[in-house]
Amino acid sequence: GAVVSQHPSRVICKSGTSVKIECRSLDFQATTMFWYRQFPKQSLMLMATSNEGSKATYEQGVEKDKFLINHASLTLSTLTVTSAHPEDSSFYICSARSGTSGNEQFFGPGTRLTVL
Amino acid sequence: KNEVEQSPQNLTAQEGEFITINCSYSVGISALHWLQQHPGGGIVSLFMLSSGKKKHGRLIATINIQEKHSSLHITASHPRDSAVYICAVSCTDKLIFGTGTRLQVFP
Repeated sequence: GAVVSQHPSRVICKSGTSVKIECRSLDFQATTMFWYRQFPKQSLMLMATSNEGSKATYEQGVEKDKFLINHASLTLSTLTVTSAHPEDSSFYICSARSGTSGNEQFFGPGTRLTVL
Repeated sequence: KNEVEQSPQNLTAQEGEFITINCSYSVGISALHWLQQHPGGGIVSLFMLSSGKKKHGRLIATINIQEKHSSLHITASHPRDSAVYICAVSCTDKLIFGTGTRLQVFP
């Protein structure tokens, strides 16, 4: 149980295009989803927290117009990187928490984004 | 100073060795997590603990709340244990991550 999937696992795009990453909780209802970014050999950095049906809360320094987050259902959250630039190339990981899992977060497998 | 510190940063071991990874934190927490990240990038949650000790197979995690310290032990290490091990603490609604310990176990 407690499986989180991400799609796509890997994406390469041209500079200026937008990329959408999906995060799904497969066997539980995720009241809260988190989006993280990880640069090579660094730790995860929280970008934003999204609660189903409400606007995401972004961390300081993360542009909400650049990284659009939608948590429209209890099993799906999407992160759209708009007008991607090479500096947006990174590993993006989502995690999900249910209303009954307390502090435990279940992590997705990640999406590696490369912007050319 | 980071709020969550791990040591060592890198660790190499021979198969069969007993391994210890340490984590110290400086904030109030509701829980501490040990995570495993394989080279492909996916993260697996190993333990979540708020007191005492937990064991799962060859892995043991302990936490001392008074000293704000946790350890992850791997007994009879195996090459497939090679990964990055990350300590993270639950603080309010968020996780604060350590920088990870890169473990390589050689046959």
